[in-house]
Amino acid sequence: DIQMTQSPSSLSASVGDRVTVTCRASQTITNFLNWYQQKPGKAPNLLIYTAANLQSGVPSRFSGSGSGTNFTLTISSLQSEDFATYYCQQSYITPHTFGQGTKLEI
Amino acid sequence: QVQLQESGPGLVRPSETLSLTCTVSGDSVNSYFWSWIRQPPGKGLEWIGYIAYSGSTKYNPSLNSRVTISVDTSKNQFSLKLGSVTAADTAVYYCARYLVRVGLHAFDIWGQGTMVTVSS
Repeated sequence: DIQMTQSPSSLSASVGDRVTVTCRASQTITNFLNWYQQKPGKAPNLLIYTAANLQSGVPSRFSGSGSGTNFTLTISSLQSEDFATYYCQQSYITPHTFGQGTKLEI
Repeated sequence: QVQLQESGPGLVRPSETLSLTCTVSGDSVNSYFWSWIRQPPGKGLEWIGYIAYSGSTKYNPSLNSRVTISVDTSKNQFSLKLGSVTAADTAVYYCARYLVRVGLHAFDIWGQGTMVTVSS
């Protein structure tokens, strides 16, 4: 299985901050990397697909980059509704695997 | 607008079979790939498997021998069966659409999730 490792596991930030979350794959996944946001008690929501493409309806303050084994999710200016847990997920090969999550806290 | 809704028992006895159904509205199960994903309390996400529009299936090897995913086109539903459950199978179970297009392979639509507890 491809292991996905996110860092940091948790992050404290403030409204207006620029935040970056990283995700590393144990082997190359080219650009088959997706990012999801999950709020407490809710299902995950797709933010970014194929490393850098913004899902329809997602604010432009979210962006993604990377290829191969190293990827980043950036939120350019944190809003209050962005405090949540973020997961990366590889769709290069089955079993599809997720990172352990990054909890973004105030 | 595509919507998914999980249903099934919230409590399953150890060693028995967990059975869940996902009802799809706004789309046809004859298209796309349809997945099950679970999340133990306070933990991360685990992909269980999917069924394709062709009827072919793919399962997580960690669960392979215990999992069956099937589809009922007449009801526009797909289902999960997980056998020989233990407390480790206690989780929120999500159904999701796995969208495959040029440049896009992702779980783009999710159900709200259903909590299943394994306990005697």
